[in-house]
Amino acid sequence: SQQGEEDPQALSIQEGENATMNCSYKTSINNLQWYRQNSGRGLVHLILIRSNEREKHSGRLRVTLDTSKKSSSLLITASRAADTASYFCATAPVSSNTGKLIFGQGTTLQVKP
Amino acid sequence: NAGVTQTPKFQVLKTGQSMTLQCAQDMNHNSMYWYRQDPGMGLRLIYYSASEGTTDKGEVPNGYNVSRLNKREFSLRLESAAPSQTSVYFCASRRDGHTGELFFGEGSRLTVL
Repeated sequence: SQQGEEDPQALSIQEGENATMNCSYKTSINNLQWYRQNSGRGLVHLILIRSNEREKHSGRLRVTLDTSKKSSSLLITASRAADTASYFCATAPVSSNTGKLIFGQGTTLQVKP
Repeated sequence: NAGVTQTPKFQVLKTGQSMTLQCAQDMNHNSMYWYRQDPGMGLRLIYYSASEGTTDKGEVPNGYNVSRLNKREFSLRLESAAPSQTSVYFCASRRDGHTGELFFGEGSRLTVL
């Protein structure tokens, strides 16, 4: 079963605009991670936020986590054409004793030059 | 530093044929994972190995077997391929079994006719 559900499924914006993607999950987590996947490539880790953290920044990326709502958001500021990719959230459930990650279905982002 | 290397990158099989997907990591990571990615389904965990000498089933293990040959290598075998196994397969590794980011290979695209 899918732990993470992402919204929207697809997003198209102009270069320079901000892009916001949301992730909702069902069970308690140890951490939540965001990954990027360029077309035809493997996934690349972007950022990890722990369950006791509310916000985290990395360059143009800002991630928030609301454990009471079981949701997270990824904000990409001042987007570039090179940000065009699929973005996945992945959760590490507390119930798992092996640390396995459960991935959402992803948000496809297109940034138009 | 190659990271996670998967072979082959592409493979076409006939129903009933067998094959092995190879994965090797050079980061001295303890945990290794096999995921499959299907359109609209995100990534689903097939099998994982929390440490050398151990393997466990993930969400969708039916039709697959794995071998953790040593700390570096984790192979995925399809004994009798079925069209439902047409997918993109990703190997990933992580330094420890419970936290932290996954490092992914570039994927193996398998088509079963």
